[in-house]
Amino acid sequence: LAKTTQPISMDSYEGQEVNITCSHNNIATNDYITWYQQFPSQGPRFIIQGYKTKVTNEVASLFIPADRKSSTLSLPRVSLSDTAVYYCLVGERDSSASKIIFGSGTRLSIRP
Amino acid sequence: EPEVTQTPSHQVTQMGQEVILRCVPISNHLYFYWYRQILGQKVEFLVSFYNNEISEKSEIFDDQFSVERPDGSNFTLKIRSTKLEDSAMYFCASSEAGSGREAFFGQGTRLTVV
Repeated sequence: LAKTTQPISMDSYEGQEVNITCSHNNIATNDYITWYQQFPSQGPRFIIQGYKTKVTNEVASLFIPADRKSSTLSLPRVSLSDTAVYYCLVGERDSSASKIIFGSGTRLSIRP
Repeated sequence: EPEVTQTPSHQVTQMGQEVILRCVPISNHLYFYWYRQILGQKVEFLVSFYNNEISEKSEIFDDQFSVERPDGSNFTLKIRSTKLEDSAMYFCASSEAGSGREAFFGQGTRLTVV
């Protein structure tokens, strides 16, 4: 599994766009990039997954440059309810591997 | 939206007692997982289960732990003789395919060992 590095914490304000960057220098050809979100006292929740360029859904956008050695999760116009820990994971999408390993994540705090 | 359900939401037990944490994964999912999260720490992988057997397990998942899918719908985690350090939030998860696919997590069981 490729190692990922992301900031320990970030602060922002309501209404701002928040970008969380994850480094994964050793990403393999078959690896996808996946982001999960975890609210306090809840289980992690899948947000978005991508392989290259840009992926967008109703929650976030994921930007992946051509070399795929990093990725950026973008949360548009955050609100207080976006306060959570965000995890970046890298691994094969269609592998039979059966464990998801979470790092320390990025603790995002949104202020009024 | 389909969801993973866990019971109980909170369990208090005395040190040395056995506990069973229960989970109902999403019905068409094939992979099942247990994770734990000690207060203030990261989510730790315990075990994965596929095709009625353990696929992978971590160092945490020692002989005190066992998992079972007794009836085709429930997925249980048993801790035989609880220790104080087993106090944590335990999350069950399931996915259609392997770990690269979206995993759905339950709301967790908070286990307190006293």
